[in-house]
Amino acid sequence: EAQVTQNPRYLITVTGKKLTVTCSQNMNHEYMSWYRQDPGLGLRQIYYSMNVEVTDKGDVPEGYKVSRKEKRNFPLILESPSPNQTSLYFCASSLASGLETQYFGPGTRLLVL
Amino acid sequence: RKEVEQDPGPFNVPEGATVAFNCTYSNSASQSFFWYRQDCRKEPKLLMSVYSSGNEDGRFTAQLNRASQYISLLIRDSKLSDSATYLCVVNEGNDYKLSFGAGTTVTVRA
Repeated sequence: EAQVTQNPRYLITVTGKKLTVTCSQNMNHEYMSWYRQDPGLGLRQIYYSMNVEVTDKGDVPEGYKVSRKEKRNFPLILESPSPNQTSLYFCASSLASGLETQYFGPGTRLLVL
Repeated sequence: RKEVEQDPGPFNVPEGATVAFNCTYSNSASQSFFWYRQDCRKEPKLLMSVYSSGNEDGRFTAQLNRASQYISLLIRDSKLSDSATYLCVVNEGNDYKLSFGAGTTVTVRA
């Protein structure tokens, strides 16, 4: 089944404790991206990647890191999480660019205390 | 000013009614436009792309008005299953970033 998976789905952590949210797609997509969704603000893009080893900042990259060492994986790293990073996070992939249908993972709910 | 703005609603309509709502975008260079549907904080899913000439998919009709910089979505013969939040998505022209509206909530009642 073609899909985007994210882990963990739910996470409660404390300020400053490094965490990684994994994202994996099995559709051989070139383009992957991370979004956060907050009430009233819609989805905001954090980082995106056009291909392996090619990443670029989205609209709200501060406090986040990403890497794209393999085509299928695009982990999101929070080196020192803060409460303002409490949010719902979605990973997405598309065939070649952000101009096509985005396939979203199920989301990760993060609470930073 | 937000790049993509939507009326948050909610639009409460009876089954069988027609409901329509718009989304405005600020970048006149925007080239690609989409409507996504999101159920109750689940992942968004593509509903339809929006083409310059307008397009229809069953009970759903999307229109693009470049002069006034808005896109619209019309739902005919509303079903209970149409209850969701509809996200307007716009590509910002020359790069590959997408901008999402905050969504319009539609509730269809029996």
